[in-house]
Amino acid sequence: DVKVTQSSRYLVKRTGEKVFLECVQDMDHENMFWYRQDPGLGLRLIYFSYDVKMKEKGDIPEGYSVSREKKERFSLILESASTNQTSMYLCASSLYREKLFFGSGTQLSVL
Amino acid sequence: AQRVTQPEKLLSVFKGAPVELKCNYSYSGSPELFWYVQYSRQRLQLLLRHISRESIKGFTADLNKGETSFHLKKPFAQEEDSAMYYCALMGSSNTGKLIFGQGTTLQVKP
Repeated sequence: DVKVTQSSRYLVKRTGEKVFLECVQDMDHENMFWYRQDPGLGLRLIYFSYDVKMKEKGDIPEGYSVSREKKERFSLILESASTNQTSMYLCASSLYREKLFFGSGTQLSVL
Repeated sequence: AQRVTQPEKLLSVFKGAPVELKCNYSYSGSPELFWYVQYSRQRLQLLLRHISRESIKGFTADLNKGETSFHLKKPFAQEEDSAMYYCALMGSSNTGKLIFGQGTTLQVKP
């Protein structure tokens, strides 16, 4: 079974801090995604990566950046956290156009 | 632009009643449509995709290109169907990127 592991389940940060969210998958998937999940807004794509060192912006990339130095790891970076980035962050991976496998999520609170 | 709309935030039915969760999409090409489900305290997971034409846990969904809809249906709801349901669209690019709707919470009452 595919395992997508997000490093933290809960995270509390202060406004202006630099925040790293880590995601690791163990099935050699080329695609990896970062979504944020907000009530009433559903899942919105922040960034995705279709290969090592390759990335594309999703629908809401402002205030975020990503890093994919190794195939199994995809990091989401909040350069200067703001309160409107308080959210549930979901990482996912997939093989080509196959189904997405999701991590359990990181609930980030920015105070 | 690609867009997925789920008009109902909450759908509440009694056990044994039929269920229909609505999904409409906007896409200029030939999309692939999915339903994902998130049960309480579990990860988001695939429920079904239209190309497989399978029935999973009694749920079915038909892609209606004329109405640009992909409604999820089940003839008799069970309490264990209570969950958050997301409709999603994959465009024709090779990246496998999914665009999700806003989600519908299904509450099945005993």
